[in-house]
Amino acid sequence: GAVVSQHPSWVICKSGTSVKIECRSLDFQATTMFWYRQFPKQSLMLMATSNEGSKATYEQGVEKDKFLINHASLTLSTLTVTSAHPEDSSFYICRATGQGANEQFFGPGTRLTVL
Amino acid sequence: DAKTTQPPSMDCAEGRAANLPCNHSTISGNEYVYWYRQIHSQGPQYIIHGLKNNETNEMASLIITEDRKSSTLILPHATLRDTAVYYCIVRVAGFRDDKIIFGKGTRLHILP
Repeated sequence: GAVVSQHPSWVICKSGTSVKIECRSLDFQATTMFWYRQFPKQSLMLMATSNEGSKATYEQGVEKDKFLINHASLTLSTLTVTSAHPEDSSFYICRATGQGANEQFFGPGTRLTVL
Repeated sequence: DAKTTQPPSMDCAEGRAANLPCNHSTISGNEYVYWYRQIHSQGPQYIIHGLKNNETNEMASLIITEDRKSSTLILPHATLRDTAVYYCIVRVAGFRDDKIIFGKGTRLHILP
């Protein structure tokens, strides 16, 4: 069946560096990608929504200049955490949706740890 | 804000049926009840959804009350691998671009 992958599955970086997380739809065209983050013991929180070829729409309280989202192709969206700090340490999860009603899948998540 | 209310945690003995309740008293006529689960450090996994009739698939059964204000997810024979956080969500089915807003869910512990 359809699968959404994320890369890397985990990453550790130093404070102040930027980290790019990829989300790929493997056998369907993802017209819309959603990015969530999840802090320990908490629920998923929607960060932004991106449509292929358009600028992302960010949820209230999410800094668009800090969390850069690119959705340049129908199979790939990237989330770049710029100048990461320890408080950005979290589990980042993407969700991809395609044209078909059943083409809606979550990625496996990326755990970011900022030292 | 999430439109559902769930107990924060539940225990269930392995091999028994796990019944997870959810209240959604403000559900709209075109909204379905969806259930997802999240095993530790993984992405959410779709389980089942329904509008007003009871539904069953290979993973679970979904019982929706006649007034649609509450529902119960049933895992008929719980195993240790069913330990996860279960999220009940109301949303329009098939609407690909809707934002899925997660509540706090129910943390289900399957006891050996």
